[in-house]
Amino acid sequence: ETGVTQSPTHLIKTRGQQVTLRCSSQSGHNTVSWYQQALGQGPQFIFQYYREEENGRGNFPPRFSGLQFPNYSSELNVNALELDDSALYLCASSGGLAGSYEQYFGPGTRLTVT
Amino acid sequence: LAKTTQPISMDSYEGQEVNITCSHNNIATNDYITWYQQFPSQGPRFIIQGYKTKVTNEVASLFIPADRKSSTLSLPRVSLSDTAVYYCLVGDVYSSASKIIFGSGTRLSIRP
Repeated sequence: ETGVTQSPTHLIKTRGQQVTLRCSSQSGHNTVSWYQQALGQGPQFIFQYYREEENGRGNFPPRFSGLQFPNYSSELNVNALELDDSALYLCASSGGLAGSYEQYFGPGTRLTVT
Repeated sequence: LAKTTQPISMDSYEGQEVNITCSHNNIATNDYITWYQQFPSQGPRFIIQGYKTKVTNEVASLFIPADRKSSTLSLPRVSLSDTAVYYCLVGDVYSSASKIIFGSGTRLSIRP
């Protein structure tokens, strides 16, 4: 059984550019959630996908978008990058809606926007 | 929203029992309480989850009073490797996932 993996590990982008982050969920998990974690703060919920449909969204603008594929892997896309988007982006998978199920987190992608 | 409040930091020594309390006064009927541990530059790791009374697993215990407005994570006989940030999370399985909220967490430092 493989755990949650994310790619790339680190990424440096310029303000205004677009970025795509990828996540492979744990085997058997159909729910993927994305979080943004700024330095010294707790993870902030971006959105969740359940069986390829968005199932809830946090307070993030529309330039943060996502996809979930039939194999339950997922992408997070961020357009028009801003300096404040610099953070650790975490993906978590679970076997159901994340509220009552264990979430398994990946190691994260460290995004730096210059 | 069932927002959580935790102490910002705690210190303890190896071999001691550590109790971290989380307040969630507005917890909803369908909400579960989940605790995570996070080491620097890693994703959070699930520790324990409960709905009411007491839950125990191989690493921790979770105590939830009858009114469910708070919960206490108990770590028995801590070691240096338990130094981490601990998050209390309250989530509603039936409603929008946007109610999943991590607070700022409790930074636990264990000394020899």
